[in-house]
Amino acid sequence: AQSVSQHNHHVILSEAASLELGCNYSYGGTVNLFWYVQYPGQHLQLLLKYFSGDPLVKGIKGFEAEFIKSKFSFNLRKPSVQWSDTAEYFCAVNAGTYKYIFGTGTRLKVLA
Amino acid sequence: EAQVTQNPRYLITVTGKKLTVTCSQNMNHEYMSWYRQDPGLGLRQIYYSMNVEVTDKGDVPEGYKVSRKEKRNFPLILESPSPNQTSLYFCASSFDGFYQETQYFGPGTRLLVL
Repeated sequence: AQSVSQHNHHVILSEAASLELGCNYSYGGTVNLFWYVQYPGQHLQLLLKYFSGDPLVKGIKGFEAEFIKSKFSFNLRKPSVQWSDTAEYFCAVNAGTYKYIFGTGTRLKVLA
Repeated sequence: EAQVTQNPRYLITVTGKKLTVTCSQNMNHEYMSWYRQDPGLGLRQIYYSMNVEVTDKGDVPEGYKVSRKEKRNFPLILESPSPNQTSLYFCASSFDGFYQETQYFGPGTRLLVL
């Protein structure tokens, strides 16, 4: 069965620190990968997605993610976080079907 | 404004009392889906619908029913709620559910079953 693992459940950073959130999936075929973010009190919204082409994907608010097929990973990065990045981040996979598998989420707290 | 709406936003009920959570989207999306979010478990897909009258099970469909009689609406029905269905529920829609489409999420419905 397909699965998505997010190893960091809680992350606390100071402003201007660099961020990397891990995401690993288990599926051997073609996948489409997503990072969604849920800011406090707001709807889940898309940060970025990968489906083909350049494995380095840029999203909104300075976020980027790199798809490494050999490692089954799609890690999210940001060079310098801001207090407003405090949120919960979800990695998700669609393996070419109508089903989506989400990770357990990572709660990020950025200290001002 | 393009949006996904859910009602009610908060609901407290008792075991066994049937309830329906409504979901509506105004973007003419073909694909709609229901998720539940639980601490430590993330989002898990309950049911999804590829189009009117076409639905299928996600990973956790037990205890839930859905219907898709109109394109814009996708209600979630709990015929006999139990305490283990206490959760935060999200509805989502996308142009279609295949591959690359971004899902747009509703605000969530927080359900407590006593």
